[in-house]
Amino acid sequence: DTGVSQDPRHKITKRGQNVTFRCDPISEHNRLYWYRQTLGQGPEFLTYFQNEAQLEKSRLLSDRFSAERPKGSFSTLEIQRTEQGDSAMYLCASSRDWTGGGEQYFGPGTRLTVT
Amino acid sequence: DAKTTQPNSMESNEEEPVHLPCNHSTISGTDYIHWYRQLPSQGPEYVIHGLTSNVNNRMASLAIAEDRKSSTLILHRATLRDAAVYYCILRDGNFGNEKLTFGTGTRLTIIP
Repeated sequence: DTGVSQDPRHKITKRGQNVTFRCDPISEHNRLYWYRQTLGQGPEFLTYFQNEAQLEKSRLLSDRFSAERPKGSFSTLEIQRTEQGDSAMYLCASSRDWTGGGEQYFGPGTRLTVT
Repeated sequence: DAKTTQPNSMESNEEEPVHLPCNHSTISGTDYIHWYRQLPSQGPEYVIHGLTSNVNNRMASLAIAEDRKSSTLILHRATLRDAAVYYCILRDGNFGNEKLTFGTGTRLTIIP
């Protein structure tokens, strides 16, 4: 169990550029989640996958955001035409099959700064 | 999603027990009570969860009120490494309600 990994850990980009983040979940976990966290706030849910199927998307996920999990393993989150308001920590989490309790395991996050 | 209420901050002395309260007066019968914590510059970390009965694990204990409208996370002997933001979250146990809805949590400071 090597934990959830995210790449890159930090990204600085100029407004209007596109960025892509990658998340590698714990290998036997079939559920993968994306959250966003701004300074002083708790994480906010963005979307989640069961295997390769994207089952829920938050209204926070505007049409500039797209997430994929093509083979049910790693996932990517792309932000097109970045805005300064997109500056945040983007967190990925994974979990096993739903058991009613089921803890989520979080990665270290990718900190995005849009200048 | 049902809401929780936590104090914004708490302080505790090192090596003493810590009791972190959470109110959730609108909890439904299928809501699990989850606790996560977030250390500085890290992603959240699962601590413990329960439904009706008190729960213990290697990290902490969870005491749930009989009417389930409140709960308390207990750290038995706080260390400096326990300084973090602690989140109390209600999670619907029905299949398909996957997301965690975080509030602003309680920032715990440990005094050496």
